[in-house]
Amino acid sequence: EIVLTQSPATLSLSPGERATLSCGASQSVSGNYLAWYQQKPGLAPRLLIYDSSFRATGIPDRFSGSGSGTDFTLTISRLEPEDFAVYYCQQYGGTPRTFGQGTKVEIK
Amino acid sequence: EVQLVASGGGLVQPGGSLRLSCAASGFSFSSYWMTWVRQAPGKGLEWVAYIKRDGSVEDYADSVKGRFTISRDNAKNSLYLQMNSLRAEDTAVYYCARISVPGYYDYWGQGTLVTVSS
Repeated sequence: EIVLTQSPATLSLSPGERATLSCGASQSVSGNYLAWYQQKPGLAPRLLIYDSSFRATGIPDRFSGSGSGTDFTLTISRLEPEDFAVYYCQQYGGTPRTFGQGTKVEIK
Repeated sequence: EVQLVASGGGLVQPGGSLRLSCAASGFSFSSYWMTWVRQAPGKGLEWVAYIKRDGSVEDYADSVKGRFTISRDNAKNSLYLQMNSLRAEDTAVYYCARISVPGYYDYWGQGTLVTVSS
């Protein structure tokens, strides 16, 4: 099983600042098949990034994904008020599919 | 518009059973693999099970294997999760989601809460 470790657990930032979230895998993710999801309280997760670096439909270009192998990053270039949420990475290159434990981006 | 509407959650005693449903609309349901993902209160996301387009392939997380069964009815555009021998640790919001090749979850239902308690 591929274990995904996200860091930091909590990121305290102000609107307009840049957010950098990390996701490390215990072994190389096949095909760089890694996705990022955003979840707000009481709502279902929403797909942001797939295949490590491709934005999902309707996702603003301030969200970008990068990385390969075991190290992946989600960057939010300038935080908007609606971006404060919990972010999860997920790998689908191996079985079972696994998620990271999440990074909470909170208002400083 | 793609829509997934999960239902069937509720309060059940330990050892009991529950069947979740997920009604799909706005896309060709039979063309997609589907999955269930759960989230215990205050916790992260956990993949539960997935099923192939025609129902011929299924897989389960070790935590539910032998107790849960995923199925689908393409004629009714519906996905199901039969949950037996429920335990307190199965308490969670259960989400259905559509799988897009090669395996990410591009649309999610709103979730349905399952509480296992005496």
